[in-house]
Amino acid sequence: DTAVSQTPKYLVTQMGNDKSIKCEQNLGHDTMYWYKQDSKKFLKIMFSYNNKELIINETVPNRFSPKSPDKAHLNLHINSLELGDSAVYFCASSLRGSGSAMTDTQYFGPGTRLTVL
Amino acid sequence: AQKITQTQPGMFVQEKEAVTLDCTYDTSDPSYGLFWYKQPSSGEMIFLIYQGSYDQQNATEGRYSLNFQKARKSANLVISASQLGDSAMYFCAMREALDSNYQLIWGAGTKLIIKP
Repeated sequence: DTAVSQTPKYLVTQMGNDKSIKCEQNLGHDTMYWYKQDSKKFLKIMFSYNNKELIINETVPNRFSPKSPDKAHLNLHINSLELGDSAVYFCASSLRGSGSAMTDTQYFGPGTRLTVL
Repeated sequence: AQKITQTQPGMFVQEKEAVTLDCTYDTSDPSYGLFWYKQPSSGEMIFLIYQGSYDQQNATEGRYSLNFQKARKSANLVISASQLGDSAMYFCAMREALDSNYQLIWGAGTKLIIKP
């Protein structure tokens, strides 16, 4: 009965490859997010989707492309991986996004540790 | 300017003692919310507690409480009777009502280590 799940948990790949990370939530939430956590543990929002519509698109290289086939899924595709992409990527979801109440809480997946060699 | 400041990069605390993790914030929005998350070494981010700017009382959840001092713009997390399992990174985050996307703004975190 995992609430927010991500696959894979670990991803080791060579520079220049293309990879995807999948995220699914079974909480019935409307909004999903991708975060990047760097080696110093700093969390940075990358994207957010509300009901399959992109609402947050921070300054992220266009090698990163999110895709939301339905509101329970938000995948992250990364083209031409670079060493600097090595990080932990978190998916999160919340009940409502834009226009939501202040108490809207984000629930996180377990993270995907991406290592680019 | 940083909107969320966690001044303690790391802390060591003896088991069973109370712990206070500092968080100060900067906003001109009268309506905002403050969140604390825990990230154990296993990596997952766990929501702990929420405080709204208009809440009259300090939030509490089990052993967690929030020492909310609005005039000082601080929202410190207090963990009572610390346990070894409390060892983790702790993040403070804020949401401002004026941000139509309701993004969370994150602090840099505090690494808490509980000593037996």
